[in-house]
Amino acid sequence: GNSVTQMEGPVTLSEEAFLTINCTYTATGYPSLFWYVQYPGEGLQLLLKATKADDKGSNKGFEATYRKETTSFHLEKGSVQVSDSAVYFCALNPTNFGNEKLTFGTGTRLTIIP
Amino acid sequence: DAGVIQSPRHEVTEMGQEVTLRCKPISGHDYLFWYRQTMMRGLELLIYFNNNVPIDDSGMPEDRFSAKMPNASFSTLKIQPSEPRDSAVYFCASSLRAGIYNEQFFGPGTRLTVL
Repeated sequence: GNSVTQMEGPVTLSEEAFLTINCTYTATGYPSLFWYVQYPGEGLQLLLKATKADDKGSNKGFEATYRKETTSFHLEKGSVQVSDSAVYFCALNPTNFGNEKLTFGTGTRLTIIP
Repeated sequence: DAGVIQSPRHEVTEMGQEVTLRCKPISGHDYLFWYRQTMMRGLELLIYFNNNVPIDDSGMPEDRFSAKMPNASFSTLKIQPSEPRDSAVYFCASSLRAGIYNEQFFGPGTRLTVL
């Protein structure tokens, strides 16, 4: 079956530190990969996505590269800000026709200290 | 666009009572999803609809839970009778099938507390 594994949280960093949140997946075929972010008290919102191998998704200074050889989609940011404090979810869609379900990881809580 | 709208935002009820959560998806979206989020179990997909038809309800925990989508602009998730273990944040999301992108837009959630 399809699955997503994220690094355990919580993660606490100082402002301007470098961020990596690891994500690996198991899926048949060529899934689409996503990072969603959930700010306190809100629903999830799409942060970035990649639909094929070697694609790089980017948004708001965050980046993630679709690595098929390592089945990974790690999230990175060069210099985090306090406003980046949130829960981050890695997710995949298997792209089977008619299958619209997203498989989510367990989420990683990130706290940035000023 | 107003985004996905959910009501109520907070619900506190007593065990045994019926609870109805409501969702208005983004206009034009063909898919609607109901999720439950708890600290213990994370984010769980309960059920999803395509063009108002339930496609997969394998995540619905038990017969106490039911979901309907009478038209393209409205869906309900009902719990009857409610139990304390149903306490969670319930999210509704919608998406427009656009090839393989499948971006889901989430509502703000309903925080349910069952006493």
